[in-house]
Amino acid sequence: EPEVTQTPSHQVTQMGQEVILRCVPISNHLYFYWYRQILGQKVEFLVSFYNNEISEKSEIFDDQFSVERPDGSNFTLKIRSTKLEDSAMYFCASSERVQETQYFGPGTRLLVL
Amino acid sequence: LAKTTQPISMDSYEGQEVNITCSHNNIATNDYITWYQQFPSQGPRFIIQGYKTKVTNEVASLFIPADRKSSTLSLPRVSLSDTAVYYCLVGGDSGAGSYQLTFGKGTKLSVIP
Repeated sequence: EPEVTQTPSHQVTQMGQEVILRCVPISNHLYFYWYRQILGQKVEFLVSFYNNEISEKSEIFDDQFSVERPDGSNFTLKIRSTKLEDSAMYFCASSERVQETQYFGPGTRLLVL
Repeated sequence: LAKTTQPISMDSYEGQEVNITCSHNNIATNDYITWYQQFPSQGPRFIIQGYKTKVTNEVASLFIPADRKSSTLSLPRVSLSDTAVYYCLVGGDSGAGSYQLTFGKGTKLSVIP
């Protein structure tokens, strides 16, 4: 069964450093999403991406965040200058069409020191 | 986006049927009801989705009354491996070409031997 994959599984970084989280969505999917979950809290929507542009973003997704689909398979989330409060699990998701089921990846645990 | 209310936690013995009810009084006409399961440190996993009446798959059943203001996820004969957090989500196409999922705190199901 096809699945969303994410790398790395864990990332530790120093405050102020840039990180890039990578995702490979399911191959025939057209809609891509990033969510995050701070430890012990709810899963929160960050951004959705379709047709090589952002469709929607939340208040969390400020200028420090960016997304890119650099090639036909990868979908990345970049945090330009990490803050302590960026420590969380980051989940990538994809769906075939806009209201179809979103399939989530296993997540990247980001720890900012 | 319609707000959902579900119990914070539930306990069940192995082999029993578990029913988790979710209230969504402000559900919109084009909203679907989707349930996800999440194990610790893993991404949410799709369980079932429905619009009205009853939907059944190999994992669960979803009961939706005619007014659609609530829904009930039914897990038949739970096992220890069903211990997880279960999320009820309601939403539809935001019109921006995106289908943002809004997670609540979910229901923490504990299955007891």
